[in-house]
Amino acid sequence: GENVEQHPSTLSVQEGDSAVIKCTYSDSASNYFPWYKQELGKRPQLIIDIRSNVGEKKDQRIAVTLNKTAKHFSLHITETQPEDSAVYFCAATLFGGKLIFGQGTELSVKP
Amino acid sequence: EPEVTQTPSHQVTQMGQEVILRCVPISNHLYFYWYRQILGQKVEFLVSFYNNEISEKSEIFDDQFSVERPDGSNFTLKIRSTKLEDSAMYFCARRGTKNEQFFGPGTRLTVL
Repeated sequence: GENVEQHPSTLSVQEGDSAVIKCTYSDSASNYFPWYKQELGKRPQLIIDIRSNVGEKKDQRIAVTLNKTAKHFSLHITETQPEDSAVYFCAATLFGGKLIFGQGTELSVKP
Repeated sequence: EPEVTQTPSHQVTQMGQEVILRCVPISNHLYFYWYRQILGQKVEFLVSFYNNEISEKSEIFDDQFSVERPDGSNFTLKIRSTKLEDSAMYFCARRGTKNEQFFGPGTRLTVL
């Protein structure tokens, strides 16, 4: 079955810097890769996703890249702000199927 | 897109007791998922449910768990005999129009 590895487990940046979180997946059949942001005590909130027919997607300060050959995908946050502080989870799945999550990255943005 | 709601927000129960967690769709969704998240850990898939039938389940989803849609609206997850290790956040998620998954606010289950 699918396995998703996520790095780093914690990430601390200064406000205004960029943050990059990386994930690898094992099942080459996976074709949908969402990213979720989870604030303390709250639900995972979908922030961006990418499908396997696309190499990169951007939405304002966040972007996701996908390398199908290497089975890597990454989340990039530019111009980080304190409100970006949260736990970020990557996930992989075959369209509509169960999400397999990474272990999470706790991002801390220091003002 | 509209989310789902979940009740209760927090459930405290004694070990061995049955609990029922509810997911309430805001509109007529057909495809739902249940996930759990033990404190400080990643989100784990339990079961997916389509058109009143289980479509997929994980190894976690053993005989102690069941899902149903008793009144065609609310979507329930039942744990028959709770164990200490069942303490976790339980999230219901629905599928969106582009196969995304949107999570409900969750139910915190505490087993004493």
